[in-house]
Amino acid sequence: EVQLVESGGGLVQPGGSLKLSCAASGITFSDSAIHWVRQPSGKGLEWVGRIRSKAKNYATEYAASLKGRFVISRDESKNTAYLQVNSLKAEDSAMYYCTHNLTNWGQGTLVTVSS
Amino acid sequence: DIVMTQSPGSLAVSLGERATINCKSSQSILYSSNNKNYLAWYQQKPGQPPKLLIYWSSTRESGVPDRFSGGGSGTDFTLTISSLQAEDVAVYYCQQYYGTPYTFGQGTKLEIK
Repeated sequence: EVQLVESGGGLVQPGGSLKLSCAASGITFSDSAIHWVRQPSGKGLEWVGRIRSKAKNYATEYAASLKGRFVISRDESKNTAYLQVNSLKAEDSAMYYCTHNLTNWGQGTLVTVSS
Repeated sequence: DIVMTQSPGSLAVSLGERATINCKSSQSILYSSNNKNYLAWYQQKPGQPPKLLIYWSSTRESGVPDRFSGGGSGTDFTLTISSLQAEDVAVYYCQQYYGTPYTFGQGTKLEIK
């Protein structure tokens, strides 16, 4: 069974940083692209970015509006992907989901940016 | 960026009736080399992550009831629920994965009339 579990969300002050984790099981992690998608409360889905598989040299791509503040990485030894979010703004408050190939999704981790 | 526009924003349909949701992309998402449309549909219920229903515009994900069907090509797509069931109440999103960023439509809220 494929399982993705996000963690690392929480309450952070504007300008702060967080590192979100996405632990995967039931997949061949090295063959998998991992995407991050976010959803502000009561609003729609926004694709944040992805990190591609080992075969694709772990290439990363981001939504243009987030590039520079958000960084996606992965640790093959832990079957875990990460989303580092920096210089956080109130409008970054959202549920952050990771997804394997856009097929299997985690339950999300909530980030709230507020003073 | 490819802009995805869904219509309507909300829809109320009687149980057992047909529901149709439209999705339009700002440019073609049909890849000519493989004749595939890079379009997916998701269902999201309150408090849950999105669930993939359809990919390649018309291929149902495993386990998805056959009352869900996807159609269209190029820039215009539809999601049809042939006979609405109570458990289909949700928000539905289309998404293109033709090119990054993989943009979503704004969502269509489906309710029971």
